[in-house]
Amino acid sequence: DAKTTQPNSMESNEEEPVHLPCNHSTISGTDYIHWYRQLPSQGPEYVIHGLTSNVNNRMASLAIAEDRKSSTLILHRATLRDAAVYYCILRDVGGNQFYFGTGTSLTVIP
Amino acid sequence: DAGVTQSPTHLIKTRGQHVTLRCSPISGHKSVSWYQQVLGQGPQFIFQYYEKEERGRGNFPDRFSARQFPNYSSELNVNALLLGDSALYLCASSFPGRAFFGQGTRLTVV
Repeated sequence: DAKTTQPNSMESNEEEPVHLPCNHSTISGTDYIHWYRQLPSQGPEYVIHGLTSNVNNRMASLAIAEDRKSSTLILHRATLRDAAVYYCILRDVGGNQFYFGTGTSLTVIP
Repeated sequence: DAGVTQSPTHLIKTRGQHVTLRCSPISGHKSVSWYQQVLGQGPQFIFQYYEKEERGRGNFPDRFSARQFPNYSSELNVNALLLGDSALYLCASSFPGRAFFGQGTRLTVV
């Protein structure tokens, strides 16, 4: 299971963009990059995933480096409801097993 | 559509006892995984089942076992409970490439 490295915590002001970084230098060619977030007292929630190209959905954008050794989750306008622990996870194309790290705890300041 | 449902939501057990946790996946999902989340850490993968067969096992002792039924629901069993087994136990059902987590069962061992 390939590992990811994320900062332990980050802060953002409300309504400003947030860039959450993730390093995954040992990523293999068949690993997808997934992001999940976990609000207090809840199970993890899917945010976005991608393989090589940048991805956008209604929640966020995922920017993937050209060498795929790092990625950035972008929340375009942080709200108080975005305060959560964000996990960057690598998943092999053939598997449904997710290996979580410690994630980044995002604090949104009003 | 109902999400992943887990029961019970909370449970208190005594050291040495046995516990059974239950999970119903989202309708149509054939893969179920179990995770243990100790306070302050990310979820740790325990088991994955697909079509009633074990497809993956994390680094957990043999006291942990699981099974999946014909309707794709699943049980996680833990024997000879230890204080260190106190955690949030999460179940996830998967559609190719994406996991949907339940709210978890909070197990406290005293």
